[in-house]
Amino acid sequence: RKEVEQDPGPFNVPEGATVAFNCTYSNSASQSFFWYRQDCRKEPKLLMSVYSSGNEDGRFTAQLNRASQYISLLIRDSKLSDSATYLCVVNMDSSYKLIFGSGTRLLVRP
Amino acid sequence: GAVVSQHPSWVICKSGTSVKIECRSLDFQATTMFWYRQFPKQSLMLMATSNEGSKATYEQGVEKDKFLINHASLTLSTLTVTSAHPEDSSFYICSAWGSAAYEQYFGPGTRLTVT
Repeated sequence: RKEVEQDPGPFNVPEGATVAFNCTYSNSASQSFFWYRQDCRKEPKLLMSVYSSGNEDGRFTAQLNRASQYISLLIRDSKLSDSATYLCVVNMDSSYKLIFGSGTRLLVRP
Repeated sequence: GAVVSQHPSWVICKSGTSVKIECRSLDFQATTMFWYRQFPKQSLMLMATSNEGSKATYEQGVEKDKFLINHASLTLSTLTVTSAHPEDSSFYICSAWGSAAYEQYFGPGTRLTVT
């Protein structure tokens, strides 16, 4: 079983749509959780950290369910510029090593 | 924000040659750097953890004699792909985590093509 699993997509949605991505992780001792965004042939960039209480940053909302080992990302009012691959990332311990999911591809169409 | 650079951004080399990739933290000291590899349509896979002044720690399945890592200063880590073969063609990305940083910053990546 992969340490971090995501639906690869692609999710093809119209502008203005709301879209949700899910991610599961296998190690219950995981400590930190993140969503990264990666554009084609570019490095990943941090979108947001994910906290147990849930957190929101503009149109983006992240949720963490430790009991189910499940992380989600909700994007409201999708923009064309949101088209990218979204990576679910988990930090297992204090070594700062990051484990990446395979990513979910989002395509926002006009 | 913190900046990490990589050089070169892309390189084409012949099979059997060695290629060195540099990763620099430009405005902070990075006690720990990480090297990742990403094949097309796959996610980033951690290759090794590079600690300043000590030997790198390699992930399972990564040949330490093939992928030589040197972290000689707090701002520079190098990855040398020795005797490169076509299957080593990939996108190599480094990241840096300094004691003052609260997130891991990624370099822009190096695209290696071995012919």
